[in-house]
Amino acid sequence: DTEVTQTPKHLVMGMTNKKSLKCEQHMGHRAMYWYKQKAKKPPELMFVYSYEKLSINESVPSRFSPECPNSSLLNLHLHALQPEDSALYLCASSQDRGTGGGRQPQHFGDGTRLSIL
Amino acid sequence: GQQVMQIPQYQHVQEGEDFTTYCNSSTTLSNIQWYKQRPGGHPVFLIQLVKSGEVKKQKRLTFQFGEAKKNSSLHITATQTTDVGTYFCAAYMEYGNKLVFGAGTILRVKS
Repeated sequence: DTEVTQTPKHLVMGMTNKKSLKCEQHMGHRAMYWYKQKAKKPPELMFVYSYEKLSINESVPSRFSPECPNSSLLNLHLHALQPEDSALYLCASSQDRGTGGGRQPQHFGDGTRLSIL
Repeated sequence: GQQVMQIPQYQHVQEGEDFTTYCNSSTTLSNIQWYKQRPGGHPVFLIQLVKSGEVKKQKRLTFQFGEAKKNSSLHITATQTTDVGTYFCAAYMEYGNKLVFGAGTILRVKS
């Protein structure tokens, strides 16, 4: 069982659709992350929120729009996606971002498996 | 960009054999974390190493961090079928602000 909950688990959408991925954690973590993972590849960082503020955007195309409504929730709004955006989208959280040796482990959700038609 | 190299890419072992995966960086690492991802699952945190030369054990798993903080290894003794999955190292560079994942090692165990 994971303490980071992601919905939906699966999503199929057309290239003109707008949809949102949701992530929720109730561990009191103050850092939240979005990753994209292709098959047999490592997770690729997309966005980092720290204390509800966007702190890292890894040059992600604007068709992906993150939102952090509060410290427990993280959304990823999708619009006009391309077939190559099909992947597993993972949300993660950590106590905070820490520095140096004080980095915290990241807790991942089960992910949303996204298919773009 | 900043990279963490991980080898081997795949490892098939007979149940009961040992397994090791290695991670290496050309730059000093602030710390290193290890994650396991079962087929169809999500990455699960295993351990974090911070100090130069650190060694930590979890039952049959032994984790090491190199003296120069540029390399790390995960060794599994007497593998079991429950060990199957992909093992990722992930690290923060010394002055970095994001977790960089290695490519992962896929472990298959034949019973």
